[in-house]
Parts: sequence; C-alpha cells; structure tokens
Amino acid sequence: NAGVTQTPKFRVLKTGQSMTLLCAQDMNHEYMYWYRQDPGMGLRLIHYSVGEGTTAKGEVPDGYNVSRLKKQNFLLGLESAAPSQTSVYFCASSRRGNIQYFGAGTRLSVL
Amino acid sequence: SQQGEEDPQALSIQEGENATMNCSYKTSINNLQWYRQNSGRGLVHLILIRSNEREKHSGRLRVTLDTSKKSSSLLITASRAADTASYFCATDEAGANSKLTFGKGITLSVRP
Repeated sequence: NAGVTQTPKFRVLKTGQSMTLLCAQDMNHEYMYWYRQDPGMGLRLIHYSVGEGTTAKGEVPDGYNVSRLKKQNFLLGLESAAPSQTSVYFCASSRRGNIQYFGAGTRLSVL
Repeated sequence: SQQGEEDPQALSIQEGENATMNCSYKTSINNLQWYRQNSGRGLVHLILIRSNEREKHSGRLRVTLDTSKKSSSLLITASRAADTASYFCATDEAGANSKLTFGKGITLSVRP
C-alpha cells in the first residue's frame, strides 16, 4: 500500500518556466489537497478537491492551477514559475472530516 | 490565515522527560488534530480529538481540548530521541468542508 505518492521529489526551474506536480493516492479517498510549506509559515492550503472533477481555492491559490480528472490523481500546475513559488509542496488525501495522509513532498526551487 | 497557534515555538528537553505543547485557535471546530513532521519528510497524523471530547490518549501521547478556552495541549510522556521532530496542530473548522488549518509548528528536540 503506497499511500500518497508525489512526483517529482526535487525540481529546479527558471523564472517563467512551467511544470506540473503529480499526486497519486491509492486509498480511494474523496478529498485531496495541495499545500506549500515555507520556513516559519507552517502549511498553507493552495487548492483542494472534494471529489473527482471538482476543485476549489484554498488560502494561497494565485499562480497555481489544479485538475482532478481521476479520483486517485490531483495535479498542481505552475504556468509561469516565479521565485516566490520556491517552496516545499505537499499533497494530502482524506476521507470527509477525517485525518489527512501526506506525501513525502516536492522541493521546488525557482531561480 | 493561520487558525492554530502553537506554543512554545521551540522546546528542548532531556530524554525521559515529558514534553508539553500547546495550541490555541479562534473559531468553532469539528475536531483538532496533531501531526508530526520529521526533518525532510511529510506530515504524519498522531491523534484526533473531536469537539465533544475533553481528553484522549494514544500510547505515550495525551491530548486535551478545552473548547471554552479554544485551546489544546499535547503531552508526550517519557520522551525519546526519536521524538525529535516538528509538531503541528490543525483545526477542522465548523463549516470548512473538511479543510484543515495548520499552525506554524513547534520544534521539539530531545537530547539523548
């Protein structure tokens, strides 16, 4: 049972480049989330999804887009990366109102 | 905006001692959860306490919840070096559609 898998684990981008982070879960969870973690800031919610085909904005959605075409996958896209998007990105999944299971994170640097 | 605020920001104790961490929040909640994060890793769920519960135990962990004061505490008894990590409280706010709001975390160092 793999749980929540994030790819890639590390990435370096130049300003203006685009990329997609993939999150996959094998627990049949309805809810999926994307967070970013910055030093001294804790985790901040970027976007989340309450089911296949649905997405919603979190606390810091600007500069990011998401898609949930399949229940097990949640994609986070950066269309034009900026240095302010240098961060560690975490994906999580859960059942409604329950605990969240996290991936190992993606470390992104935007130069 | 951050809902949970942990206190202290950092804690250093000797192995075998107890560690107490506090969390305060601002709005009505369905439940409050504590997570641990080891350096360079993802968060791992520790314990969940519902708004109608006052105390919960899990192994060496004891969590209390005081909804009148909007606060929670996490007690780790007989700490071990392996408990060294960051600890986060997260609140499931009433009406927030299962989103969690995390605090900034507490860094716990347990000296061997």
